[in-house]
Amino acid sequence: EDQVTQSPEALRLQEGESSSLNCSYTVSGLRGLFWYRQDPGKGPEFLFTLYSAGEEKEKERLKATLTKKESFLHITAPKPEDSATYLCAVQNQAGTALIFGKGTTLSVSS
Amino acid sequence: EAGVTQFPSHSVIEKGQTVTLRCDPISGHDNLYWYRRVMGKEIKFLLHFVKESKQDESGMPNNRFLAERTGGTYSTLKVQPAELEDSGVYFCASSQVWGEAFFGQGTRLTV
Repeated sequence: EDQVTQSPEALRLQEGESSSLNCSYTVSGLRGLFWYRQDPGKGPEFLFTLYSAGEEKEKERLKATLTKKESFLHITAPKPEDSATYLCAVQNQAGTALIFGKGTTLSVSS
Repeated sequence: EAGVTQFPSHSVIEKGQTVTLRCDPISGHDNLYWYRRVMGKEIKFLLHFVKESKQDESGMPNNRFLAERTGGTYSTLKVQPAELEDSGVYFCASSQVWGEAFFGQGTRLTV
């Protein structure tokens, strides 16, 4: 069964304190791994798509990487505005739906 | 460019009543998805339209849920009759490319 597990559930950082979020997945034939950001009361906002092991994508202070079993979202020198819930998802086998993890809630204090 | 629009943003109904949620996707996006997040759990897939056709409705909980997409444009999700366990946030998303879906702000349904 396709599954996505994210850790930690919650993460508190000081401004400037770099860290990584983990997303481990089980899927038959990865068709794509997706990272989203969600702010309270809003829908998920697309960040990155990764398709193959070794691939990396960057956007501002965020960098996503992918291995055969997991993905990391690295946050470099975070700012308070990076506080949000970060969601990881993979496409199902049929390619018709995203399977989400529960997310990691990041809080960055100044 | 307008994003995915959902309304209402909130709906509070009594058990046994009917509620209809609406989603307007990004113009030109053939793929439209419905997802739901129940409190404390992950976002879960409900169904997927390609234009006006249902591509995958394997996530629909039961026959109290009915989704339609008129002319391949906007979509509605009707819950009739609503039960307590239907409470949650219902998200609509649309995409041109598989997976790179753009989400609406969601409709919070309280039964």
